[in-house]
Amino acid sequence: AQKVTQAQTEISVVEKEDVTLDCVYETRDTTYYLFWYKQPPSGELVFLIRRNSFDEQNEISGRYSWNFQKSTSSFNFTITASQVVDSAVYFCALRERSGGYQKVTFGTGTKLQVIP
Amino acid sequence: DTEVTQTPKHLVMGMTNKKSLKCEQHMGHRAMYWYKQKAKKPPELMFVYSYEKLSINESVPSRFSPECPNSSLLNLHLHALQPEDSALYLCASSQELAGPYNEQFFGPGTRLTVL
Repeated sequence: AQKVTQAQTEISVVEKEDVTLDCVYETRDTTYYLFWYKQPPSGELVFLIRRNSFDEQNEISGRYSWNFQKSTSSFNFTITASQVVDSAVYFCALRERSGGYQKVTFGTGTKLQVIP
Repeated sequence: DTEVTQTPKHLVMGMTNKKSLKCEQHMGHRAMYWYKQKAKKPPELMFVYSYEKLSINESVPSRFSPECPNSSLLNLHLHALQPEDSALYLCASSQELAGPYNEQFFGPGTRLTVL
C-alpha cells in the first residue's frame, strides 16, 4: 500500500526566513509520481510540481525548490525568503503506476504560517 | 486556459433538499474527479470519470449522484444529505486517467453546509 507522511503538522516562520517542508513516502512500485500542492485559505488546491520516480534531478522555480532523494524516499520542498503569501497548507501526494487507474494518495498536509 | 471552475462557491441546504454542484473545465482533459475535504484533512476521492464514463466510485453513499453530461462538465447531485456531509467539495481534472503526465488541476471548491 502506498503511504505519504508529512510529519510537520504546523510550521511558523518569520517573513524572509527559509523553510523546508518534509515529505516521506512508501511505495512498492518502481515507477511512481510525486506532487506538491498548495492550499491557501480560499480552498483551491494549486498544483506546484510533479516529479517522476526515474528523474531525480532537483528543481528550482523562483523561491521554490524541491529535493527528491529516492534513497531515503523523500521529496522535500523548500521555500526561500518566505513571504506572507506563502501561508497555506501544503500537501505532498503520491501516484503509483500500477494498473489502469492510479489513485493519488495525499499526505496529511503541513500548515505553514509566515509571520510578517 | 488552465482553470477549473466550480459553482456555487457556497451552499447551505437542509436535509430534505435537492441541490447540484457544477464543475467545468476547458483544458480538453478527459478525466474528471470529485473529492470531499473535511477541515484539516486531505482531500478524499469520491468519483472518477474518464471519457465521460464513471470509472471509480469510492463506495460513496447513494445520496451523492455524479453526472458527466459532456467532456467539459461534471455535476454532483445531492439529495437527503446529512450534517456530517458538510465539507469542501473539490472538482479536479487531468489529461488522462492513466499515463505519466497526470497532475490534477483543482477548482476552487464548493463549501457545503448541511443543516
